[in-house]
Amino acid sequence: AQSVTQLDSQVPVFEEAPVELRCNYSSSVSVYLFWYVQYPNQGLQLLLKYLSGSTLVKGINGFEAEFNKSQTSFHLRKPSVHISDTAEYFCAVSPYGGSQGNLIFGKGTKLSVKP
Amino acid sequence: NAGVMQNPRHLVRRRGQEARLRCSPMKGHSHVYWYRQLPEEGLKFMVYLQKENIIDESGMPKERFSAEFPKEGPSILRIQQVVRGDSAAYFCASSPVGGSYEQYFGPGTRLTVT
Repeated sequence: AQSVTQLDSQVPVFEEAPVELRCNYSSSVSVYLFWYVQYPNQGLQLLLKYLSGSTLVKGINGFEAEFNKSQTSFHLRKPSVHISDTAEYFCAVSPYGGSQGNLIFGKGTKLSVKP
Repeated sequence: NAGVMQNPRHLVRRRGQEARLRCSPMKGHSHVYWYRQLPEEGLKFMVYLQKENIIDESGMPKERFSAEFPKEGPSILRIQQVVRGDSAAYFCASSPVGGSYEQYFGPGTRLTVT
C-alpha cells in the first residue's frame, strides 16, 4: 500500500519570497509522483509530474519539484511566489504499473501568500 | 477541447433522499475516476470505471453508493438515503488510458446534506 505525507498543513509566505512545500511518500513499489493545485471552489489542476528520467521536474507557473528516491520525497519549490499562488497544493502518487489507476493523495498544504 | 464537466456544481439534499452526481469526461477519454474530499482532508479514491465496466471499486462504501459509466452518456455516482456524513466535495477525473499517469479533474460537486 502507498501513503503520502504532506508535512505542513499551512504555509504562510510573503510575496516574492521562495517557498518549499514538502511531500514524503511510502510505498513498497516504484511510484509516479504528482503535484496538483486547487484554487478555492475549483477542481484540481496538474502542476507537474515525475514519471522517469531527470529527477528535477519543471511544471507550470514557475514551480518545480525534485524526486529523491533515497529520502522518498518529492518537494515542491518556487523561487518567488505571487499573490495568485495562494491555493491548496496536493501531492499524489500512483504505483508504477498499477492496474487500479487511482491516485493516492496527501492531505494538502494551504499556501497563503501575503503582500 | 472542453474539460471534464460535472453537474450539478452544488447539490443540497435532505437526509434520506437520493443524490445523483454526473460527470462527462474529456473528449476521447474512456476512463473515469471518482474521488471524495471531506473537509480538511485530501481526496480519497472511490471508484474507477471504463465504459460499461467497473474496474476498481475498492474505495466505495459498501452500502448506499453506486457508480456507472454507460456506453452513452455521463458517468453517474449515486448515493441513496444520504446522511449528514455524506456532505463533501465529489470530484471526477478522466484519462485517455487506464492505469493512467495523468488524470484531468472536473470542478467538483459540493453535496450538502441537511
